[in-house]
Amino acid sequence: AQTVTQSQPEMSVQEAETVTLSCTYDTSENNYYLFWYKQPPSRQMILVIRQEAYKQQNATENRFSVNFQKAAKSFSLKISDSQLGDTAMYFCAFMNSNTGKLIFGQGTTLQVKP
Amino acid sequence: DVKVTQSSRYLVKRTGEKVFLECVQDMDHENMFWYRQDPGLGLRLIYFSYDVKMKEKGDIPEGYSVSREKKERFSLILESASTNQTSMYLCASSLGGDRGYNQPQHFGDGTRLSIL
Repeated sequence: AQTVTQSQPEMSVQEAETVTLSCTYDTSENNYYLFWYKQPPSRQMILVIRQEAYKQQNATENRFSVNFQKAAKSFSLKISDSQLGDTAMYFCAFMNSNTGKLIFGQGTTLQVKP
Repeated sequence: DVKVTQSSRYLVKRTGEKVFLECVQDMDHENMFWYRQDPGLGLRLIYFSYDVKMKEKGDIPEGYSVSREKKERFSLILESASTNQTSMYLCASSLGGDRGYNQPQHFGDGTRLSIL
């Protein structure tokens, strides 16, 4: 069975600095997808970034980028130039390409401080 | 933009009651999902559906059932609510049609359910 682990329950960063959130996963599959979702306080969960396992190039979306290490089964999220609006809970998620189901990590609460 | 609407943001019910949580999406998505979110556990899949009238158990289906009579609507039913079902419930939808997907899921705002 696949599992996703986020080992940092809480993190904080100063506004304008860079922060990296960790995520590791376990699977025997070769074809899968990885996601980072953001859940702001009392607001809707939204997709931040997506990575296809067959792509070696790391995905980037503006200030958000990932470090995907397939052999190490690691998928960290880097947030550059942190903004107050980045304060949220962040979830790493794994999708098996055969089932389309998402498996989520425990979440990391990120606080951006002014 | 995809809109996934959950019928209630907050709900308080009593043990033993039958509870219905409703979810509607407006983007003609084939796939719909129900999760519960608990601190330290992340999101866990309760049930999902790939099409009308179809349903499959997720990781924690015990004590729950679902109904999908129309493509846009996916209902979660707590047959006899218990206090350990107090949680945040999230509905999601995604494009589908068959089972091999990389499509992201779109989430509703969630329903915070308290069972007293």
